[in-house]
Amino acid sequence: ELKVEQNPLFLSMQEGKNYTIYCNYSTTSDRLYWYRQDPGKSLESLFVLLSNGAVKQEGRLMASLDTKARLSTLHITAAVHDLSATYFCAVQFMYSGGGADGLTFGKGTHLIIQP
Amino acid sequence: DGGITQSPKYLFRKEGQNVTLSCEQNLNHDAMYWYRQDPGQGLRLIYYSQIVNDFQKGDIAEGYSVSREKKESFPLTVTSAQKNPTAFYLCATSGFGNQPQHFGDGTRLSIL
Repeated sequence: ELKVEQNPLFLSMQEGKNYTIYCNYSTTSDRLYWYRQDPGKSLESLFVLLSNGAVKQEGRLMASLDTKARLSTLHITAAVHDLSATYFCAVQFMYSGGGADGLTFGKGTHLIIQP
Repeated sequence: DGGITQSPKYLFRKEGQNVTLSCEQNLNHDAMYWYRQDPGQGLRLIYYSQIVNDFQKGDIAEGYSVSREKKESFPLTVTSAQKNPTAFYLCATSGFGNQPQHFGDGTRLSIL
């Protein structure tokens, strides 16, 4: 059974600080996703990581993937209040014909950034 | 506009009643998915469909049913067998290749 664990599950930090959210998964996966969810809203795609060593950056967020360690990180640089949200990682298996299994999600990291 | 439309936004179910959640997409995506989210939790996969007239059970399919008669539509029925249906239900789609799943705005289901 595929398991995805995120930590921390809750994080309160001050604006301007840096922090990292960790995502560990239990078995080999073809791709890893990061999503953001605002309260009461749906999920917004942030990053898709497809291969070992992949690194993607968008603004103050940077995601990386180490498939050997089965670990992805989401790093926040110089946090601002607008980044307050819940962040989910999810992993997915791909079939040889190009189809895909559903996503397996972590429980999410609830991030609060205080002025 | 291209997108995923879920309806209704809020739904209330009486004891012993089946209810159907709608998910329609005009993205021309082949794959469609249903997830359930409980408060403070991640999403869990209920059912998914890679092509028309075919679908597979996810991790928590008991008490739910689906159909995929058209590429654009993937309705989810929450049956009376689902004893704890109160949750936020999200529909997602994905196209071929390295694209992420796109999510609809969700339906909140509660028990009357």
